[in-house]
Amino acid sequence: EAQVTQNPRYLITVTGKKLTVTCSQNMNHEYMSWYRQDPGLGLRQIYYSMNVEVTDKGDVPEGYKVSRKEKRNFPLILESPSPNQTSLYFCASSLSAGSQNTEAFFGQGTRLTVV
Amino acid sequence: GENVEQHPSTLSVQEGDSAVIKCTYSDSASNYFPWYKQELGKRPQLIIDIRSNVGEKKDQRIAVTLNKTAKHFSLHITETQPEDSAVYFCAASRGKAAGNKLTFGGGTRVLVKP
Repeated sequence: EAQVTQNPRYLITVTGKKLTVTCSQNMNHEYMSWYRQDPGLGLRQIYYSMNVEVTDKGDVPEGYKVSRKEKRNFPLILESPSPNQTSLYFCASSLSAGSQNTEAFFGQGTRLTVV
Repeated sequence: GENVEQHPSTLSVQEGDSAVIKCTYSDSASNYFPWYKQELGKRPQLIIDIRSNVGEKKDQRIAVTLNKTAKHFSLHITETQPEDSAVYFCAASRGKAAGNKLTFGGGTRVLVKP
């Protein structure tokens, strides 16, 4: 089944304790992104990757890191989490189709609470 | 960068009535406008999209219109049903030139009352 898989689904952590949220897709998509969802703000892009070893900042990259060593995986790393990073996080992937967008497929989401 | 505004933030309709959600965007280079539906506790899922070379697109009870001159686009749901209750997000993108980035509106919570 074609899907984007995130882990963990729920995470409660303490301020300053490094964590990684994993994202994997099995659709051979070139594009992958991370978004955070906060009430009233919609989804805001954190980082994106156009292909292996190619990553770039989105609108709210501060406090986050990513890597794209393999096409299928795009982990999100919080080196020193703070309470303002408490949010619902979504990974998404889409296929490259020339210069045009194609449908973005989202993972199940990761609800992160930083205390 | 791109800015997408979405209205209303909440919408309550009677079952069978129509629902309309409106979005405006700021970047005239945006050329792709998808709409996502997010049910409670679930992931956003694409329900319809439109590209800038098209003015209107329909899929059964849902339709989207695009006015490039005014830089706004709308989602229309006819004959609403209880299963249409969800949060709907509009988005805009410049395509590959912007890394396929989607800029989302703030969302509209739609409640269909039986």
